[in-house]
Amino acid sequence: RKEVEQDPGPFNVPEGATVAFNCTYSNSASQSFFWYRQDCRKEPKLLMSVYSSGNEDGRFTAQLNRASQYISLLIRDSKLSDSATYLCVVRNTGGFKTIFGAGTRLFVKA
Amino acid sequence: NAGVTQTPKFRVLKTGQSMTLLCAQDMNHEYMYWYRQDPGMGLRLIHYSVGEGTTAKGEVPDGYNVSRLKKQNFLLGLESAAPSQTSVYFCASSYPLTPGISYEQYFGPGTRLTVT
Repeated sequence: RKEVEQDPGPFNVPEGATVAFNCTYSNSASQSFFWYRQDCRKEPKLLMSVYSSGNEDGRFTAQLNRASQYISLLIRDSKLSDSATYLCVVRNTGGFKTIFGAGTRLFVKA
Repeated sequence: NAGVTQTPKFRVLKTGQSMTLLCAQDMNHEYMYWYRQDPGMGLRLIHYSVGEGTTAKGEVPDGYNVSRLKKQNFLLGLESAAPSQTSVYFCASSYPLTPGISYEQYFGPGTRLTVT
């Protein structure tokens, strides 16, 4: 079983739609959680950190459920520019073991 | 600020050849990392460094060596390239990991390596 698992998609949604991604992790000692965005043939860039209380940044909302060991990302009012791959990232106790999910591909259509 | 830069951007090697990938950062970060990214898989850590003169193995270190002679540079070497090392290589850097604080990693643009 992979340490961090994501639905690979692709998710094809129209502009304006709401889309949700889930990610599960297997190590209960995991300490820090992130969502990164990666455009085609580009480097990953931090979208947002995920906090236990949940956090929101504009159209993006991230949630963490430690009991069930999953992280979610909700994108509201999707834009064409949201088309990218979204990587779930988990950092375990000790810090260096940063595990990247394989990513979920999103296509937003006009 | 250039952030994290990588050279070269593309390279084609023949099996058995050697090469060095250079990563440079101008953010005064202590920590630097080398990852590889293959289709359908997440980024996997090859080697990392917590400071000048120190390096450590990550998840997939075999076939690679690294050096961190200067704080701003982190070199990844392939001594005898194999087709299995065909991949996209990303360098990243960050501030030191501190309990309770989530520092992001900043990535370079990547190096696309093909080994034939």
